[in-house]
Amino acid sequence: EAGVTQFPSHSVIEKGQTVTLRCDPISGHDNLYWYRRVMGKEIKFLLHFVKESKQDESGMPNNRFLAERTGGTYSTLKVQPAELEDSGVYFCASSLYRQGAIRFYEQYFGPGTRLTVT
Amino acid sequence: DQQVKQNSPSLSVQEGRISILNCDYTNSMFDYFLWYKKYPAEGPTFLISISSIKDKNEDGRFTVFLNKSAKHLSLHIVPSQPGDSAVYFCAAAVNSGGSNYKLTFGKGTLLTVNP
Repeated sequence: EAGVTQFPSHSVIEKGQTVTLRCDPISGHDNLYWYRRVMGKEIKFLLHFVKESKQDESGMPNNRFLAERTGGTYSTLKVQPAELEDSGVYFCASSLYRQGAIRFYEQYFGPGTRLTVT
Repeated sequence: DQQVKQNSPSLSVQEGRISILNCDYTNSMFDYFLWYKKYPAEGPTFLISISSIKDKNEDGRFTVFLNKSAKHLSLHIVPSQPGDSAVYFCAAAVNSGGSNYKLTFGKGTLLTVNP
């Protein structure tokens, strides 16, 4: 079974440019999360999808960030326009939520996309 | 306001000895606590978890202890092996509705196991 994949692994862009990060969750996982780790800080929650629906966007920093999950499969996170403080590692995670399943809260993480804004 | 705190940025132990990683939290609404292990350039990998209604969970060399009154949990690794060297994150999950179990992470502790 393939794990969570993310593309690109690293992106370097200039301030003001646009970047789109992609996440492919584990097949069959309805729940998809985005997290971000800014240097020196903890990993922080950004948002949560169930299939194609956004359930919780409480962690999104501002309206320069737009997440989508077309068809309930892969997800994209667009940053437009990028600012210096957006630099960090963006992680995607997915989970298979089934009532009664053991560790239904467990999330599987991708390797992350390191975003550098110069 | 950090709800999950790992106050030790690093820990160094000898191979074969016990490693104890600590974590404190402030939010009494957390439902589950998880430990993730992370190698450089990889994503966090789930290690072990504990429900907020339990006080101990064991899986092989890994044991997690939860002290709810002190809002403290710890991860014990016995015996420690060089391959255990990694950053360990403490995370707490709260159900925010439906199937949303968003995680709140600590800053991590870098464990180095010396041969």
